[in-house]
Amino acid sequence: GENVEQHPSTLSVQEGDSAVIKCTYSDSASNYFPWYKQELGKRPQLIIDIRSNVGEKKDQRIAVTLNKTAKHFSLHITETQPEDSAVYFCAAVSGNTGKLIFGQGTTLQVKP
Amino acid sequence: KAGVTQTPRYLIKTRGQQVTLSCSPISGHRSVSWYQQTPGQGLQFLFEYFSETQRNKGNFPGRFSGRQFSNSRSEMNVSTLELGDSALYLCASSLVPGDNNSPLHFGNGTRLTVT
Repeated sequence: GENVEQHPSTLSVQEGDSAVIKCTYSDSASNYFPWYKQELGKRPQLIIDIRSNVGEKKDQRIAVTLNKTAKHFSLHITETQPEDSAVYFCAAVSGNTGKLIFGQGTTLQVKP
Repeated sequence: KAGVTQTPRYLIKTRGQQVTLSCSPISGHRSVSWYQQTPGQGLQFLFEYFSETQRNKGNFPGRFSGRQFSNSRSEMNVSTLELGDSALYLCASSLVPGDNNSPLHFGNGTRLTVT
């Protein structure tokens, strides 16, 4: 079945450092990979996404990379700030069913 | 444009009861998905509706059901509640299902507590 594994479950960095969150997916037909940020007590919000025909995408301090062969994709946050502290979820959409499956989430803490 | 609206925000029920949660998607969005969020399990997919039809279903027991109306509003129902059903239930809408250019927009969720 479709599955998305996300690591690490928790990540603590100093302000200004980089943070990397990694995900693997099982469904080779997956073709769309969004990342969501959920601040405490708030709804998940889309921060960046990547499609299967692209290897990398960048938006200011956030970048996502995709390795289709290995079925891996990663979120990179540079120059982290305290307001980056949140739970981050990766997800994969199956190209066959259109079902969006989320990873287990990573709690990122950025220490001032 | 109003966002995804979920009602009620909070619910307290006892074991064995049933509950109905409501979701109004963003205007023009025709696809509605439901997720269960718990601290240890993250976001678990429940089901997805489009044009009043269930397109996809997650691995939840038959006690969990849903439906979508002609105006795209959706409801989910949980019967014979169990303690383990306590969670935040999130609804998300998109223009159409499985479309790369139509990301999910989440509501604030309904916090269900089963005692």
